[in-house]
Amino acid sequence: TQLLEQSPQFLSIQEGENLTVYCNSSSVFSSLQWYRQEPGEGPVLLVTVVTGGEVKKLKRLTFQFGDARKDSSLHITAAQPGDTGLYLCAGGVGIQGAQKLVFGQGTRLTINP
Amino acid sequence: DTAVSQTPKYLVTQMGNDKSIKCEQNLGHDTMYWYKQDSKKFLKIMFSYNNKELIINETVPNRFSPKSPDKAHLNLHINSLELGDSAVYFCASSQGGRGWGNTIYFGEGSWLTVV
Repeated sequence: TQLLEQSPQFLSIQEGENLTVYCNSSSVFSSLQWYRQEPGEGPVLLVTVVTGGEVKKLKRLTFQFGDARKDSSLHITAAQPGDTGLYLCAGGVGIQGAQKLVFGQGTRLTINP
Repeated sequence: DTAVSQTPKYLVTQMGNDKSIKCEQNLGHDTMYWYKQDSKKFLKIMFSYNNKELIINETVPNRFSPKSPDKAHLNLHINSLELGDSAVYFCASSQGGRGWGNTIYFGEGSWLTVV
């Protein structure tokens, strides 16, 4: 069974601070995806990383895929209240034209003004 | 227009009833999915169809039966509803092909409450 352990599950920090969310597994994934989910809505894709060691940046967000493609991290620099939300990592497994996503438990991030 | 749309958004029903959730995507994708999100926000895949063919069927009670009349639609029918079925059900779609790395687009979810 493939599992993704996401940590921390809850994080509350002050505006302007930096933070890192981790996503770890003992399984290898074809891709690692990060989503953000707002209340009452479905998850929205932030980024997909597919190569071991890959780093992608999205404004103040930096995503990294581990060399062995088993883990990933999301780093936010100078967090802002607008970053508040539920962040989900998901490992992708390709199956016959579909992609099975194995999700972590999520990190509920609160940025206090 | 909403890319992946689900109906109904909210559904409250009694134990033992049978209910359906409908999903439609207008993205031209050939792969569709059903995911379940529990009260702790944990998302888990249930089913996936590619061009109307069932290709992912996780360990789900057989009271849950997906149906794909065409590649733009994937419905979920649930028989004999139980309290533990209360959750948010998300429909999603992606372009098939190699499978991995393709963006999966989620609908807004259907909140099912069984009383």
